[in-house]
Amino acid sequence: SAVISQKPSRDICQRGTSLTIQCQVDSQVTMMFWYRQQPGQSLTLIATANQGSEATYESGFVIDKFPISRPNLTFSTLTVSNMSPEDSSIYLCSVAVRGKSYNEQFFGPGTRLTVL
Amino acid sequence: AQSVSQHNHHVILSEAASLELGCNYSYGGTVNLFWYVQYPGQHLQLLLKYFSGDPLVKGIKGFEAEFIKSKFSFNLRKPSVQWSDTAEYFCAVTPMFSGGYNKLIFGAGTRLAVHP
Repeated sequence: SAVISQKPSRDICQRGTSLTIQCQVDSQVTMMFWYRQQPGQSLTLIATANQGSEATYESGFVIDKFPISRPNLTFSTLTVSNMSPEDSSIYLCSVAVRGKSYNEQFFGPGTRLTVL
Repeated sequence: AQSVSQHNHHVILSEAASLELGCNYSYGGTVNLFWYVQYPGQHLQLLLKYFSGDPLVKGIKGFEAEFIKSKFSFNLRKPSVQWSDTAEYFCAVTPMFSGGYNKLIFGAGTRLAVHP
């Protein structure tokens, strides 16, 4: 398993500003992911954070809006840029632990973002 | 594209009633299957998982799930629910493609309310 922490745990931001969310893991992991959980909705994958290269974004998400950094195997950041009220969500970081026949993800506590 | 369907969006039960939440997925190959739970105000937690072997898996807090490959289903069950089981339950699937990373796909979630 892996222990994941996120900062901040919550924030209230003004429209047009940007927020950077940090994700720290207690061990080196190859694969880290960022998800969004909009109010009353399920989790949607934003991107895979790749160490040493650009993130891989899912359909509907772009680097200009959600730039991601992954400087090493235990840390990643997600920035929500030029925010609007529609960006109000919980943002979650996860890490994958893979074996020969399994692939399990562990989730951080999430960052609750409210945009006014 | 792969998808996960949870048939019940809202379920209301009395304490001691039996619970079954449906989950179906659309992928014909090997899968890893998960149920996650999110208690009010808390972060996502793993309830149980299936990788291989016995299709009946037992998780925490008396929950179990059965993988029926022919039906592409992974239904969650509990014989007697408690008020503390009030939460949102998410089914998730990882299609195990050979090579590359394997995406975790979430269902829409089922909101369970248990009345004393």
